[in-house]
Amino acid sequence: QVQLVQSGAEVKKPGASVKVSCKASGYTFTSYYIHWVRQAPGQGLEWMGIINPSTGVTSYAQTLQGRVTMTRDTSTSTVYMDLSSLRSEDTAVYYCARDPRLGPFDYWGQGTLVTVSS
Amino acid sequence: EIVLTQSPGTLSLSPGERATLSCRASQSVSSSYLAWYHQKPGQAPRLLIYGASSRATGIPDRFSGSGSGTDFTLTISRLEPEDFAVYYCQHYGSSLWTFGQGTKVEIK
Repeated sequence: QVQLVQSGAEVKKPGASVKVSCKASGYTFTSYYIHWVRQAPGQGLEWMGIINPSTGVTSYAQTLQGRVTMTRDTSTSTVYMDLSSLRSEDTAVYYCARDPRLGPFDYWGQGTLVTVSS
Repeated sequence: EIVLTQSPGTLSLSPGERATLSCRASQSVSSSYLAWYHQKPGQAPRLLIYGASSRATGIPDRFSGSGSGTDFTLTISRLEPEDFAVYYCQHYGSSLWTFGQGTKVEIK
């Protein structure tokens, strides 16, 4: 069965960076795009960016340009999301989600809570 | 950038009642690229409807989607206890993916 398993919760200080992983299984890793979506406490869903695991090509939300980097490791079927220069407003649950080539997000990871606090 | 506005913000209904949720786009979107999700507390969102009106795998037929252009609707014909959640619409399939701000369906 399709699974996206994310890394565990993180606590970071302002100005630091965080790297969250998303390990895919149950399907051909390079056949589906992966998106990252975040959700601040009590708030809605914010799209962060997309990576094509086959080519490594990425596209990011304008609001995060310069701070977010998405990479992949095809040998382990894992996608990574790196967010730098963290600020308190980055405190959120971060989700990875599968996209069947510009389709809806059909499978989601369980979410990773990132807390930014001094 | 396409902005999706959902209404109402909160819908208070009883089990068995009909729920009608609205999603309005700031500009015309292809109905092929409009989806609905629901999210229960502490869980990831789950895909309900894609292509404006197609149910995702395993979604019961009490959920239906409709609409075109700038106005889309999600209808839940008879609310079950597990349907009380937050619902999001989404535009996808372009270089930018956007979500509406959500509608909370709560027990009256």
